[in-house]
Amino acid sequence: GQNIDQPTEMTATEGAIVQINCTYQTSGFNGLFWYQQHAGEAPTFLSYNVLDGLEEKGRFSSFLSRSKGYSYLLLKELQMKDSASYLCAVRDSNYQLIWGAGTKLIIKP
Amino acid sequence: ETGVTQTPRHLVMGMTNKKSLKCEQHLGHNAMYWYKQSAKKPLELMFVYNFKEQTENNSVPSRFSPECPNSSHLFLHLHTLQPEDSALYLCASSAGTSGGGTDTQYFGPGTRLTVL
Repeated sequence: GQNIDQPTEMTATEGAIVQINCTYQTSGFNGLFWYQQHAGEAPTFLSYNVLDGLEEKGRFSSFLSRSKGYSYLLLKELQMKDSASYLCAVRDSNYQLIWGAGTKLIIKP
Repeated sequence: ETGVTQTPRHLVMGMTNKKSLKCEQHLGHNAMYWYKQSAKKPLELMFVYNFKEQTENNSVPSRFSPECPNSSHLFLHLHTLQPEDSALYLCASSAGTSGGGTDTQYFGPGTRLTVL
């Protein structure tokens, strides 16, 4: 079966750095996505990785290792508005997105 | 600001009611999707339309009936639902390039459905 694993919940402090991990087992791989979803709102696209390595976009970075079936989302200089759920999704060989259950990130002052 | 809108944002219905959810995208995309999002569960893909043709139906019960009259509009018709169907229903759209590329999906804000 296909599976995406990510922690259910994480807590971090304003101004700090947090890393949200995602591991996957899918039939094929055609890219990995990270989305942010604030409570009661639409998921919004954050990043896309298809090759190994780190993609940096402002305070957010996303890393991919295809050989390990592993990705992480790194958030720097945390702000209160970063409190949200972070969804990891992998596109499989049929070009369907397989979703994780999301990681709820709580930022404390 | 998302280019995908959904109405209504909240819906409460009885098990014998018939209602419809509406989705509209203003991004010029060719693919549209319906997802179900339940608490602490992964997004469940329900239906996919590419160029108005349904290409995926992930074993969704017949009490959910999609309709895609054109590439910009998508409906989900609901009838005789069960309480376990209560969830957030999300619509998304993408450019629809099945042969590669990012084909990022952009989501609407969802309809929070409660079935009594």
